[in-house]
Amino acid sequence: DIQMTQSPSSLSASVGDRVTITCRASQPISVYVNWYQHKPGKAPKLLIYTLSNLESGVPSRFSGGGSGTDFTLTISSLQPEDFATYYCQQTYRTPLTFGGGTNLE
Amino acid sequence: QVQLVESGGSVVQPGTSLRLSCAASGFKFSSRGMHWVRQAPGKGLEWVATMSFDGGKIHYADSVKGRFTISRDNSRNTLYLQMNALRPDDTAIYFCASSPEDTSTLFFDYWGQGTLVTISS
Repeated sequence: DIQMTQSPSSLSASVGDRVTITCRASQPISVYVNWYQHKPGKAPKLLIYTLSNLESGVPSRFSGGGSGTDFTLTISSLQPEDFATYYCQQTYRTPLTFGGGTNLE
Repeated sequence: QVQLVESGGSVVQPGTSLRLSCAASGFKFSSRGMHWVRQAPGKGLEWVATMSFDGGKIHYADSVKGRFTISRDNSRNTLYLQMNALRPDDTAIYFCASSPEDTSTLFFDYWGQGTLVTISS
């Protein structure tokens, strides 16, 4: 199975900050990484798909990058509505796996 | 407006069965892959099962293989998860999600809000 190690597990930040979350895959996964935002009691929301593609309707302050085994989600200027938990996901092969999550507080 | 609405969650005893449903609307259900993802209390997201648009491809997480069955009724725009031999560690919020079939990569762009399954004696 491909393990996705996400860091940090929690992050304290302020409005306006630039934030970067990292995900490391246990083996190369090409561009098959997605990023989701999840708030308690809500449906998870797709932010970035296939490494760096911004989902329709998602603000441009979100961006994804990386290659091989190391991937990043960056929020360029944190807004109040961005405080949530973020997950990476690999879809290179089954079993599909998520990172452990980053709680942005 | 895209909607995925899960139902069927309940409190049940270990060893029993439960069937979850996910009613889809606002998109062409029969053209999309469908998935179940769960979140145990205080934990992260865990993929459970996947079914292709026509039911021809099915995959399961090892933790549920042999106990859970994913299925779909394209005439009713509904996804199902039959869960047998339930264990306390199956306690979680269960989300259904959807993915487009007409892309070369896989991602979950539609999600429901989840239904809570509690396994307790």
